[in-house]
Formats: sequence, C-alpha cells, structure tokens
Amino acid sequence: SQQGEEDPQALSIQEGENATMNCSYKTSINNLQWYRQNSGRGLVHLILIRSNEREKHSGRLRVTLDTSKKSSSLLITASRAADTASYFCATDALGGSNYKLTFGKGTLLTVNP
Amino acid sequence: NAGVTQTPKFQVLKTGQSMTLQCAQDMNHEYMSWYRQDPGMGLRLIHYSVGAGITDQGEVPNGYNVSRSTTEDFPLRLLSAAPSQTSVYFCASSPLQGALLYSEAFFGQGTRLTVV
Repeated sequence: SQQGEEDPQALSIQEGENATMNCSYKTSINNLQWYRQNSGRGLVHLILIRSNEREKHSGRLRVTLDTSKKSSSLLITASRAADTASYFCATDALGGSNYKLTFGKGTLLTVNP
Repeated sequence: NAGVTQTPKFQVLKTGQSMTLQCAQDMNHEYMSWYRQDPGMGLRLIHYSVGAGITDQGEVPNGYNVSRSTTEDFPLRLLSAAPSQTSVYFCASSPLQGALLYSEAFFGQGTRLTVV
C-alpha cells in the first residue's frame, strides 16, 4: 500500500501565483522527500526534510512537516510556466524496512502563462 | 557522470516473452531500486537492493526477478510478460547513510514497456 497521498490530485494556477500541495502519510517516518516529474521524464529530487525538522526552504520552495498530523506541504512561490509538472511526496517508514521509499500518486500542477 | 542509465527506452513484447531491463549507475551508490508507474497509481516499488548480492521485494514483486552481482548494475527480468506488466519502469539509486535512506534518490529516464 502507498504511504503518502498528495492533495489535490490536480491544480491549475496562473503564472506568478503560489502553489500549495499537501501530502499525508500513514506511519511514522525517518524523512520525507518531494520530487518533480516532467511529462515523460524521470523524477527529480527537490527537497528532503527529516522527521525532526519542521520547515525547510530551497529557492522558491518551502516545505513544512507536521509529524503529529502525519502531513507535509510543498509551497512553490511565484510560479512559472516551467513549474508545470507532477509533484510527488515520498517517505520511508520508521520501524519497518528502512529501505522502502514509497511514493504517493502525485499532484499534477499546471501553471498557465 | 552519466548518473542512472536505463536501456532500452522503449520496448514492445508479446505475451509470454521474456526480457531484461537494464539499469546502471556510476555514482557508487549502495542502494538501487525498480519502480513501475501506471496512470493514477503513482510509483510502486518492485524490488530493491542495498548492495551487491542483496535484494529484497517491494510492493509489487510478482512476475519480476532481480539480481545484483555488482554495485553498478541492477537488471530487472520479466520471465513471461503479461499485458498487466505494460507500464513505465524507473530505476533509481541512492547512497546509504548507515542503515537508513537519508539521501535523495537519482532516477533514470525510464523504460516504456508495452506487452501485447
């Protein structure tokens, strides 16, 4: 079964607006990661946040983690048409096999010029 | 540095045929894994390996075999292809930090497989 679930499934915004995607997961984790996938391509790592961190920034990306609610959010500020892609969260399960990185089903972000 | 290289990029198989999807990485990563991606299902883990000679099953291992004879290579074998195995397959590698996956995964560009 998949550990993480992204919300919403699809998001359409205008260039310059902010985009927020959410991820919920089921079991305790060591870390949570966000990836981007452009159509027909492999996944590219965006940011990793450890279970003892609450917020992390990387350029226009801001990730938060709330382990009490088992949820994370990815904020992309000042979006660009080039940000159009699918975004996935991935987690490893604490206490289970530490080597199984499981992905959610993704959020499809469309940024309209 | 080529990163993670998958071959072939596209493949069409007939039901019952066998084939091997190749995956190679040049980053000396201990951890390698195979995922399949189907519409609406996200990525599902097939098999993974934490080093040469060590493999284990993921979420959807049935119909697939793997082996890890070297650090660099992690081939995925379909013994008797079925239409349900039509999918896009991704190989990924990561360094390990102790006993945990504490680092990002590097993905190949994928193999699009169609079984008719």
